[in-house]
Amino acid sequence: GAVVSQHPSRVICKSGTSVKIECRSLDFQATTMFWYRQFPKQSLMLMATSNEGSKATYEQGVEKDKFLINHASLTLSTLTVTSAHPEDSSFYICSATSSGGTYNEQFFGPGTRLTVL
Amino acid sequence: GQNIDQPTEMTATEGAIVQINCTYQTSGFNGLFWYQQHAGEAPTFLSYNVLDGLEEKGRFSSFLSRSKGYSYLLLKELQMKDSASYLCAVRNYGQNFVFGPGTRLSVLP
Repeated sequence: GAVVSQHPSRVICKSGTSVKIECRSLDFQATTMFWYRQFPKQSLMLMATSNEGSKATYEQGVEKDKFLINHASLTLSTLTVTSAHPEDSSFYICSATSSGGTYNEQFFGPGTRLTVL
Repeated sequence: GQNIDQPTEMTATEGAIVQINCTYQTSGFNGLFWYQQHAGEAPTFLSYNVLDGLEEKGRFSSFLSRSKGYSYLLLKELQMKDSASYLCAVRNYGQNFVFGPGTRLSVLP
C-alpha cells in the first residue's frame, strides 16, 4: 500500500524558533498533499492543501506567513512553523493523494508532535 | 456551510456489535470515508462509500444514504484493540476532506 512518512516524529523547541516538518510519499507520486492540525481529543482540522509546483491553498483562519508550505516535488512537502509559540503546540499530520489510488483516498503520515516551550 | 456530526463517545462490550452514526451537510459530495485513529497515531483507512447502500469488509461495514446525509459504521465481534477514535470524513467536489469530530469508542471486557 501507499506509504507516507513524516520527519521528525516529535520535536520540542523554544518559543520564537522555527520548526520544519517534512512529509514524503515513499512509493507513489503525490499529486496533492494536505496538512492537518489536531489538538487533544479533537478531530483533524485542515490547514492547507498543496499541489506540486504551485502555491498552497490555506484554509480560513490559517496564517500563510506563519505556516509556510513548500511542495517542491511529487514526493516531498514541507511545513515550516515560523516563530513558534506555545499555542502552536499540536499534532501535525500530513496526507497525500495519488491519482492512481483505488478510491483516491488520503494516505496519512504518522504525524509530528510539536511542543513549544 | 459544512457540518459533520458524530457522537462524541460510545462504550461497548467485547464481542458485541456497535453502530457509529455520522450525519453531514457539505458543499458537494464526492464520497464518504471512515478512518480509525488510535491515540497519538495517524488515521488509518477503514471504508469508502460513494453510492447508497452497505459496504462490507470483514468485521467492519459502512452504510450510506446520500438523500438523508447519513452514514454509519458497524463494527461486529468487538475486540479490545477496536478501542479508538472513529472519524467520518466527506470529500467534496474540490477533493478536500472535511472531517467530523470523531467518536471515541471504548471496548470493555
